[in-house]
Amino acid sequence: QQQVKQSPQSLIVQKGGISIINCAYENTAFDYFPWYQQFPGKGPALLIAIRPDVSEKKEGRFTISFNKSAKQFSLHIMDSQPGDSATYFCAAGNDYKLSFGAGTTVTVRA
Amino acid sequence: DSGVTQTPKHLITATGQRVTLRCSPRSGDLSVYWYQQSLDQGLQFLIQYYNGEERAKGNILERFSAQQFPDLHSELNLSSLELGDSALYFCASSVGGGGGFTDTQYFGPGTRLTVL
Repeated sequence: QQQVKQSPQSLIVQKGGISIINCAYENTAFDYFPWYQQFPGKGPALLIAIRPDVSEKKEGRFTISFNKSAKQFSLHIMDSQPGDSATYFCAAGNDYKLSFGAGTTVTVRA
Repeated sequence: DSGVTQTPKHLITATGQRVTLRCSPRSGDLSVYWYQQSLDQGLQFLIQYYNGEERAKGNILERFSAQQFPDLHSELNLSSLELGDSALYFCASSVGGGGGFTDTQYFGPGTRLTVL
């Protein structure tokens, strides 16, 4: 049972474009919402994270938008670069556990 | 490089066999987490150890067990292996035991298990 639903499964964006990945959750006990980036052959690496009392967090070209009432959060990758091509996972955590979304494979075309 | 090491990188074995995966956390990290990543199930939390003690349990099968040793390295034991156990197994570590915003999990490179 997927506690965090992530979409789309994959997306292709042109260099300089915006990539948007959406996630939704049901469990209101979640209190930590990280995004992980994974390159082929590597383990996931923390990209950016947000708490539920904040509606937006920006780090460089990466922004998380969080809508607590809708139980949704999203990752925006601005000015997408070929080096951003990877699989992105949203996650939600509480009580030491992280529940991951299914992942979105982002391909940035030069 | 996250500082988390996992061995072996690849493991090929037969159904019914038992294997042991090893993880060394980042220096100073007391928590170790195990995850299974498969194509159909995604990334699933299996179990967490904090300073030698089991802290949290996820979707871990009874055929699987783990432990964390006094030097804080951890082993995941998988027995009576089935074809469906073929997956990437990741270990992650964090400083504390609470997880969450101030306790980032750092992932290792994973062990790819193939059960034939």
